[in-house]
Amino acid sequence: EVQLVESGGGLVKPGGSLRLSCAVSGLRFSNVWMSWVRQAPGKGLEWVGRIKSESNGGTSDYAAPVKGRFTISRDDSRNTVVLQMNNLKTEDTGRYYCTAESMTIAGAVSLDEHFESWGQGTLVTVSS
Amino acid sequence: SPVLTQPPSVTVAPGQTASITCGVENFGRISVHWYQQKPGQAPVLVVYDDNDRPSGIPDRISGAHSGNMATLTISRVEAGDEGDYYCQVWERDNEHPVFGGGTKLTV
Repeated sequence: EVQLVESGGGLVKPGGSLRLSCAVSGLRFSNVWMSWVRQAPGKGLEWVGRIKSESNGGTSDYAAPVKGRFTISRDDSRNTVVLQMNNLKTEDTGRYYCTAESMTIAGAVSLDEHFESWGQGTLVTVSS
Repeated sequence: SPVLTQPPSVTVAPGQTASITCGVENFGRISVHWYQQKPGQAPVLVVYDDNDRPSGIPDRISGAHSGNMATLTISRVEAGDEGDYYCQVWERDNEHPVFGGGTKLTV
């Protein structure tokens, strides 16, 4: 059974930092591309960013609202993906979900990606 | 810019069929994926690649995609099907996913 367990959420002041972790089990983690998706209170789903597997370069991409402030990294030896969030803003408040992707690629180009497995999420509140 | 348009809400009586649409504009030929989010729970993938179901998803749930419209259909609707449903596509140019705004299904 695939399990994704997020941790690290909490209350932080604007301008502060927070580090979210996601522990993954039940799949071959090193082959999996991982994404973070967030959901503001009462709102819809918003993609935050994604990290490719090391065999596909291990690079990360980010949504425009978080680019330059958030960083995603992975530790394949610990089956863990981390979301480092800096310079947090009130609009970053929400539940953050870790997801394992299924993707279709052709060479270096991603043709399609969707989110096959989800964690239960961890709540981030940015408030003074 | 690419847009996915979903109706904010759909209401259906128990035992009837619910159809949730997703207007797919400016994407070209792409696959649509669907997620179900029950109250207080994480989203769950229920349909991928327009009409495939992950294991464990009942065959009462099905997807279709024709032209600029994708549809998630839930037959023999039950109270437990209540929740929010989101469509999603992959925008190849920017290598980013795009989510629809979500549809609240009330039974």
